[in-house]
Amino acid sequence: SQQGEEDPQALSIQEGENATMNCSYKTSINNLQWYRQNSGRGLVHLILIRSNEREKHSGRLRVTLDTSKKSSSLLITASRAADTASYFCATDSGGNKLVFGAGTILRVKS
Amino acid sequence: DAGVTQSPTHLIKTRGQQVTLRCSPKSGHDTVSWYQQALGQGPQFIFQYYEEEERQRGNFPDRFSGHQFPNYSSELNVNALLLGDSALYLCASSLAGLAAYEQYFGPGTRLTVT
Repeated sequence: SQQGEEDPQALSIQEGENATMNCSYKTSINNLQWYRQNSGRGLVHLILIRSNEREKHSGRLRVTLDTSKKSSSLLITASRAADTASYFCATDSGGNKLVFGAGTILRVKS
Repeated sequence: DAGVTQSPTHLIKTRGQQVTLRCSPKSGHDTVSWYQQALGQGPQFIFQYYEEEERQRGNFPDRFSGHQFPNYSSELNVNALLLGDSALYLCASSLAGLAAYEQYFGPGTRLTVT
């Protein structure tokens, strides 16, 4: 079973625009992570936010976490065509066992 | 510094057969986790190996088994293959400990069962 649900399922934007993806989960967590996947290949780790953190930045990425609402958002600023991929949130409730959502497919048009 | 490697890249098997997938973790990592990703879905946790023992297991039948070797590499075995076992199988490595560590994923093995 999957814990998280990403919203939207698919997102299409123009290059240079910002992309926002949301993730909701059900149980308490130690941390939440975001991954990118290109063309059904391996997952690339983007950013990790711990349960006691509210916001984190990494380059063009901004992640927020609201544990009271059990939700997180990933913002990609000034998107590029190379950002086209599937994005997954994954929760870790202990032991580094990740529970993934179904993902958001992002398409950035040039 | 080699990342996580998996072999083979692609595999085609027939229903009822058995398959073995292999994974070498990132240098310095001691924990290996396996995930199954069906088309259009997120990865699902199969099991995790640490110190050559299965430490955690997801909701998968006993047809799925694994092994970890002293050099931390790992194998995933699936017996009596079903059509529904067709998926991308991902291996991830990490370093055990109380703190949260990001997991490094391999490129995956695409298994097709016909």
